[in-house]
Amino acid sequence: AQTVTQSQPEMSVQEAETVTLSCTYDTSESNYYLFWYKQPPSRQMILVIRQEAYKQQNATENRFSVNFQKAAKSFSLKISDSQLGDTAMYFCAFMKHYLGNQFYFGTGTSLTVIP
Amino acid sequence: GAGVSQSPSNKVTEKGKDVELRCDPISGHTALYWYRQSLGQGLEFLIYFQGNSAPDKSGLPSDRFSAERTGGSVSTLTIQRTQQEDSAVYLCASSLEGFGEQPQHFGDGTRLSIL
Repeated sequence: AQTVTQSQPEMSVQEAETVTLSCTYDTSESNYYLFWYKQPPSRQMILVIRQEAYKQQNATENRFSVNFQKAAKSFSLKISDSQLGDTAMYFCAFMKHYLGNQFYFGTGTSLTVIP
Repeated sequence: GAGVSQSPSNKVTEKGKDVELRCDPISGHTALYWYRQSLGQGLEFLIYFQGNSAPDKSGLPSDRFSAERTGGSVSTLTIQRTQQEDSAVYLCASSLEGFGEQPQHFGDGTRLSIL
């Protein structure tokens, strides 16, 4: 079975500073995808960034980047130049590649950006 | 439509009643996912459809839960003989196909409350 662990239930960061959210996962799969999703108070989930396990290069999307350590099964999210709009729940997720797609989500990290 | 549409947005019902939740995915999206999000928890994967077919139904919590998709479009999640522990937000997502490269687009969810 796959599990995803987010060990930081709550975090805060000053506006314009950098924050890193942690995520670890456990799987016996060799081919999979990892994701970070953001859920603002409005409730709709939004994809922030994704990483293919077979790619060694860390994914980057503007102010968001990941540190993917496959051997350690770690997938942290770094948010640079934090903005007030980044305040949300952040979920780390794992997807098995291809058939019988199943997603596994962590319990989330509530991030508050302080003005 | 422009996005994933879920209805109703809120549903309150008495314990023991049956409920039906509807998801209308983005036009042309062949992959559709149902999740359950309980208060303060991450997302629990329920089921995945590729077209009208669900390769794996093991994520459904009990035999009171069933889901179907017809015409490769609209999906319904049915909960029979509802229990209080079924209270949660039920989220639906769709993607173009079932591949990890393609982002899931989430609906706003149905908030189900069992009295």
